Amino acid sequence: EGQLVESGGGLIQPGGSLRLSCTVSGFSVSNNYINWVRQAPGKGLEFVSDMYPNGDTFYGESVRGRFTFSRDNSKNTVYLQMNSLRVEDTAVYYCARETLWHYDMWGQGTRVIVSS
Amino acid sequence: IVLTQSPATLSLSPGERATLSCRASQTVSRHLHWYQQKPGQAPRLLISDVSNRATGIPARFSGTGSGTDFTLTISSLEPEDFAVYYCQQRTSYPTFGQGTNLEIK
Repeated sequence: EGQLVESGGGLIQPGGSLRLSCTVSGFSVSNNYINWVRQAPGKGLEFVSDMYPNGDTFYGESVRGRFTFSRDNSKNTVYLQMNSLRVEDTAVYYCARETLWHYDMWGQGTRVIVSS
Repeated sequence: IVLTQSPATLSLSPGERATLSCRASQTVSRHLHWYQQKPGQAPRLLISDVSNRATGIPARFSGTGSGTDFTLTISSLEPEDFAVYYCQQRTSYPTFGQGTNLEIK
């Protein structure tokens, strides 16, 4: 049984930067597909980014060029660097393990509020 | 691929049967999945690949469908089943439906 724990959320002004972390236990981030999925207040789920085991990354259209997904295998942790934040980036950010194209394990989420 | 769920809200009583729909804008493979989300909680996988119940999911939950039309059925609602349900696919990149809010009538 594994676990994903997000951290790093908070209140940030528009245009600012924030780095989210997702620390994993019970399985290796280097051998799995890890995704970031977000949920704006009262809204549905939106794919943000993912990283393949080989290190390839993919980004949703709304964050491409502003967010960067990285990984530290020694810490079994993945990161989401978020730059040029916008009010519409306000959401709970979840990291999730993707197995065979579905999400079989989720973290509890970390809340990001972008507001002046 | 856009996933459209219907209805947006479904009001039923415990013991009743719930039928939730997910329609895709193009044909998807069998990689169509369903999640349950309760307030303040992360989503939980219910059904993967159209019809495979995830570990620990009761048999009252079932999934069917193919092509562009998929259905999640809850045969007899329990009080703990009232939640929001999302479908999800990954043909190119992942997309989710907008959700069906299953509420107590």
